[in-house]
Amino acid sequence: GAGVSQSPRYKVAKRGQDVALRCDPISGHVSLFWYQQALGQGPEFLTYFQNEAQLDKSGLPSDRFFAERPEGSVSTLKIQRTQQEDSAVYLCASSFPGSYGYTFGSGTRLTVV
Amino acid sequence: DQQVKQNSPSLSVQEGRISILNCDYTNSMFDYFLWYKKYPAEGPTFLISISSIKDKNEDGRFTVFLNKSAKHLSLHIVPSQPGDSAVYFCAASVGTYKYIFGTGTRLKVLA
Repeated sequence: GAGVSQSPRYKVAKRGQDVALRCDPISGHVSLFWYQQALGQGPEFLTYFQNEAQLDKSGLPSDRFFAERPEGSVSTLKIQRTQQEDSAVYLCASSFPGSYGYTFGSGTRLTVV
Repeated sequence: DQQVKQNSPSLSVQEGRISILNCDYTNSMFDYFLWYKKYPAEGPTFLISISSIKDKNEDGRFTVFLNKSAKHLSLHIVPSQPGDSAVYFCAASVGTYKYIFGTGTRLKVLA
């Protein structure tokens, strides 16, 4: 596609509910990233994929967070047993490997109530 | 421990004048720096970058300056236009994939 597509744009979850956020990267972009942006903060790195391999998951805040990219294209970020502190915008980005600067999607705003 | 800091949360500038956005960092291992622009309800958009081996990079109205000894970089926008009104994030990395972002500066260009 022309850009990085994320769905849903908005998600309201009750505390304790599981959620799944989808990212469809730019066609041909091998590298895929997830970032979390809390209100008033800059984006914070969560995890990085090259094709289907998750090469870095050091930013995932707890074992309730899980990301996958089984076929090397679409990726899903799953959050289990959501907590209020998980409320944030979740940004997905993609790029060619080794290139500086990546293309972000518009994000999914998650609100946990 | 914030490795990348943008100490000015907001900045207002008259149309046609220069906008200067500042960013400080603490990690001397950072070798690449970027600026992103973000409009409301959109993802950040890559604007301009600079490698640690350079001290200046220019792209049209946008120039980024890097002062490694002071661990400081700045983005200059000349002339500023109302469409430049957005939140600007600086980001730094060691290598190519994992960026540390600042908290952003909201620029308002007044017509």
